Amino acid sequence: GENVEQHPSTLSVQEGDSAVIKCTYSDSASNYFPWYKQELGKRPQLIIDIRSNVGEKKDQRIAVTLNKTAKHFSLHITETQPEDSAVYFCAASRGEKLTFGTGTRLTIIP
Amino acid sequence: SAVISQKPSRDICQRGTSLTIQCQVDSQVTMMFWYRQQPGQSLTLIATANQGSEATYESGFVIDKFPISRPNLTFSTLTVSNMSPEDSSIYLCSVEWASRPSGRAWYQETQYFGPGTRLLVL
Repeated sequence: GENVEQHPSTLSVQEGDSAVIKCTYSDSASNYFPWYKQELGKRPQLIIDIRSNVGEKKDQRIAVTLNKTAKHFSLHITETQPEDSAVYFCAASRGEKLTFGTGTRLTIIP
Repeated sequence: SAVISQKPSRDICQRGTSLTIQCQVDSQVTMMFWYRQQPGQSLTLIATANQGSEATYESGFVIDKFPISRPNLTFSTLTVSNMSPEDSSIYLCSVEWASRPSGRAWYQETQYFGPGTRLLVL
């Protein structure tokens, strides 16, 4: 089955700087890669996703890049703000089922 | 996106008992999923629940322990049976939601989560 690795497990960034979280996947047939943000005690919320027919997608301060050849995808957050502090999960899917990475705890330092 | 609710939001149970968690969606959806999230961990898929068919369980999860019902397109239940302290976890339902991107003619599916049920087994 699919295996998704996520790095780093923790990340501290000065407010205003950029944060990058990276994921690799094992199943070359995977074609959908969402990112979820989970604040403490809350549900995971979809923040951005990318499908295998594009290499990059951007939504304001958030961007995701996909390299299908290398089987990795990354989340980029620019101009970080305190409200970006949360746990971020990447996931991969070749159909309906999502396989999640282990998560990255992002802390924004004021 | 769909509005998803879960009941109960949290519960404390004694070992050996069972708890049924409900998941309600405000619109009809084909695919519903049940996940477990142990403290400080990632999300692990328990099973996929389609209306009108048996749930499909992932490796490590069995129907006797986690029976699932899906009586219609807006509702599902997950029962955690014969609980032990190792079952203490957050249980989340999710739905696959089809939406049409702006300016596009096709629909794309994305998965949205319910608020979760926080379970503590003593």
